[in-house]
Amino acid sequence: DTAVSQTPKYLVTQMGNDKSIKCEQNLGHDTMYWYKQDSKKFLKIMFSYNNKELIINETVPNRFSPKSPDKAHLNLHINSLELGDSAVYFCASSQDDFELFFGEGSRLTVL
Amino acid sequence: RKEVEQDPGPFNVPEGATVAFNCTYSNSASQSFFWYRQDCRKEPKLLMSVYSSGNEDGRFTAQLNRASQYISLLIRDSKLSDSATYLCVVRTSYGKLTFGQGTILTVHP
Repeated sequence: DTAVSQTPKYLVTQMGNDKSIKCEQNLGHDTMYWYKQDSKKFLKIMFSYNNKELIINETVPNRFSPKSPDKAHLNLHINSLELGDSAVYFCASSQDDFELFFGEGSRLTVL
Repeated sequence: RKEVEQDPGPFNVPEGATVAFNCTYSNSASQSFFWYRQDCRKEPKLLMSVYSSGNEDGRFTAQLNRASQYISLLIRDSKLSDSATYLCVVRTSYGKLTFGQGTILTVHP
């Protein structure tokens, strides 16, 4: 059973399109995150939700909109995709702000 | 100055070697410290937490020096399977873990 699963694993799309990535965790954790890993391999936090409430928004453009329908799910919608959005997006979860459990990542390529 | 800085390497070492990685952090109020490991094209996974007193897990030893804002990871008797990127991670506030850019290690036969 995959603890943190995200779909799709790969997205290839044109500039200007809109795309969504879904994430689900079955660990019963209260907190979920979206991280972005760029071509230089830096992992940067984008958003953090605790029990469906947004607690961290790291100056991410408004084109990125997270949604947490319940504490087991955190989706990411991206509008008007740009070349610079190409990256691997990792979903993660944790309990009591301790160990992060990551999904396998969603590799987005914007052409 | 970056919040968490690591020497990106790459480090190329033979099997059986001892290798050490360093990491510095800028926020003196940082609360918790970790090393994560990321294999090529995989997700990061927790390797070990880092405590002020230093801690050891098999061949891996982690040290924290709060005065110098410095964290280290020592790997003894390197194995081929240790080849990966090692990420220094610092908790700067609740819910916010900041990752270093990672240090690439390649262990060769």
